[in-house]
Amino acid sequence: NAGVTQTPKFRVLKTGQSMTLLCAQDMNHEYMYWYRQDPGMGLRLIHYSVGEGTTAKGEVPDGYNVSRLKKQNFLLGLESAAPSQTSVYFCASKSSRLAGTGATQYFGPGTRLTVL
Amino acid sequence: EDQVTQSPEALRLQEGESSSLNCSYTVSGLRGLFWYRQDPGKGPEFLFTLYSAGEEKEKERLKATLTKKESFLHITAPKPEDSATYLCAVQVHAGGTSYGKLTFGQGTILTVHP
Repeated sequence: NAGVTQTPKFRVLKTGQSMTLLCAQDMNHEYMYWYRQDPGMGLRLIHYSVGEGTTAKGEVPDGYNVSRLKKQNFLLGLESAAPSQTSVYFCASKSSRLAGTGATQYFGPGTRLTVL
Repeated sequence: EDQVTQSPEALRLQEGESSSLNCSYTVSGLRGLFWYRQDPGKGPEFLFTLYSAGEEKEKERLKATLTKKESFLHITAPKPEDSATYLCAVQVHAGGTSYGKLTFGQGTILTVHP
C-alpha cells in the first residue's frame, strides 16, 4: 500500500495563477483533510471531507476550494494564487471509526508551493 | 477555543542524554492526544495516541504520558537518528461532529548530537 500520496511535490506559481493539488489514498478511508504548515504556525486545517461528494471548511479556508468526486481522491484548488499562500501543504486521511487505529490521521509527504 | 502549546521550541541533546518534551492543552473535552514525528521535507509520521489521564505508551526510546492538562514525550538515551520535529495534536469531543479534526501545537525541534 502506498498510503497517502500527493502530487506535485514542488511547484512555483506567479501571483494570480491557478493550480490544483492532488491527494490520493489507498486505505479506503472515509475522511480526508488538507492542512498548510508555516514556520511558527504549526499545521492548520484548510478544508476537510467526510465522504465522497462532501466537503467542509476548516480553520483557514479563504482562497482555497476543494472537491471529493471519488472516495480515494481529494483535490485542493487555488483559483488566484497569492504570496500569502506560499506554504507546505499536507493531505491526511482517516477511517471513520473513532477508536484505535481508526482515530489516527495518516499524512502524505507534502507539496511545497511558492507563490512569487 | 482549543489550544495546544509545546515546549521547548527547540532542544539540543547529546547522544545518551535523556530529556522530555512537553505538550500542554486547553480543550473543551479531550477525545485523544496524538504525537507525531516529522523529518525535514516529509509528512508527519504517527507515533502514539493517548486517550485518558494516566495512560502511557512506549516505542523504543520514546515514552508518552498523559495528565488532565498536559502530555510528556520522554526520550531515553537518545541517538542522532531521533533528531526530528515532534508534533502534538488533540482531538476533541464535539457532539459527534468533530470528524476527527486535529488541533496541532507548533512542535519541538529536537537535535541529538553524537
